[in-house]
Amino acid sequence: NAGVTQTPKFQVLKTGQSMTLQCAQDMNHEYMSWYRQDPGMGLRLIHYSVGAGITDQGEVPNGYNVSRSTTEDFPLRLLSAAPSQTSVYFCASMTSGRLVEQYFGPGTRLTVT
Amino acid sequence: AQSVAQPEDQVNVAEGNPLTVKCTYSVSGNPYLFWYVQYPNRGLQFLLKYITGDNLVKGSYGFEAEFNKSQTSFHLKKPSALVSDSALYFCAVRDPYGNNRLAFGKGNQVVVIP
Repeated sequence: NAGVTQTPKFQVLKTGQSMTLQCAQDMNHEYMSWYRQDPGMGLRLIHYSVGAGITDQGEVPNGYNVSRSTTEDFPLRLLSAAPSQTSVYFCASMTSGRLVEQYFGPGTRLTVT
Repeated sequence: AQSVAQPEDQVNVAEGNPLTVKCTYSVSGNPYLFWYVQYPNRGLQFLLKYITGDNLVKGSYGFEAEFNKSQTSFHLKKPSALVSDSALYFCAVRDPYGNNRLAFGKGNQVVVIP
């Protein structure tokens, strides 16, 4: 299994540009989520999905959209990038249930100038 | 809502000495607690978790953590630190009565000095 994969690894955007961060998992996990990591703030949940066709907002959803058309894929869209969205983005997945841990992708480092 | 506090920004320890990374939590009911480690330019890796049962939980790479309900703490420990343990450590809590969302602490940088 490849686990959780993310592309690209690095990206530089100009303010106002849009882009999609890709996330895929091959473990047939129902639950997937997106976090952003900023220094001194830990990981903050952006959006999550409990299964195909179902998404919900996390702690910091503004400026981001998600969709979940398949179990495997959970892309994160930045509609109009802002410098405040400069961060490292992690995708994670897990099976259903509160007792299990999440599996994280390697991250995407995004810089918005 | 659940929350986690990791009071120290950085923990410095000499190689071979015991390592402790502190974590306290706030959640309604009995918590589900997790520790993750992040090596430079990598994603987070699961170390261990507490769900129920024995208060001392053993995990990967020789790490263990002690759950203390009265002090609402879940400190991560390793008896003898290695230079390769230098990394960023995150504590996380999940509300057992809520959804599957995890609340993370801000992380602790551990530096093991040779």
